Amino acid sequence: RKEVEQDPGPFNVPEGATVAFNCTYSNSASQSFFWYRQDCRKEPKLLMSVYSSGNEDGRFTAQLNRASQYISLLIRDSKLSDSATYLCVVKTVNDYKLSFGAGTTVTVRA
Amino acid sequence: NAGVTQTPKFQVLKTGQSMTLQCAQDMNHNSMYWYRQDPGMGLRLIYYSASEGTTDKGEVPNGYNVSRLNKREFSLRLESAAPSQTSVYFCASNPRGPTSKETQYFGPGTRLLVL
Repeated sequence: RKEVEQDPGPFNVPEGATVAFNCTYSNSASQSFFWYRQDCRKEPKLLMSVYSSGNEDGRFTAQLNRASQYISLLIRDSKLSDSATYLCVVKTVNDYKLSFGAGTTVTVRA
Repeated sequence: NAGVTQTPKFQVLKTGQSMTLQCAQDMNHNSMYWYRQDPGMGLRLIYYSASEGTTDKGEVPNGYNVSRLNKREFSLRLESAAPSQTSVYFCASNPRGPTSKETQYFGPGTRLLVL
């Protein structure tokens, strides 16, 4: 079983729509959670950290459910510029590495 | 600050050739990492360096060697390239140690094709 699993999509949504997707992780000792954004042929860039109580950053909302071991990302009022692949990233306490999901592709159409 | 820089951006090699991928960061970060990214897969860690003078294997180290030349620079060497090493390679750095809660910052990547 992969450590981090994501629905690859693609999620194809019109501008202004809301889109949401989840990521599941297998290691219950996971400590830190992040969403990264990766544009085509570019490097991953940190979108936001995910906190236990959930958090917002503008149109983006992230939630963590430790009991069910998943995190979610919701994008409100989608913009064309939100088209990208979103990577779920998990870090385990005292471990050296980040575990990456393969990514969820979102395409926002005009 | 340039952040994390990588050279070259693109490279084509023949099977058996060797090359070194360069990475440098100007953020005074302690730890540095090399990943590869293949289609349909998450980034996989090749090697990492927790601090200057130390290096350790990640998930997929076979066929690679690394050098942490100083605090700024961390290079990845392919001694005898194989087609299975065709991939996009990303270097990353982290302000503190690899077990800290903080996340990592990535360079722009090197696209490698091995024929």
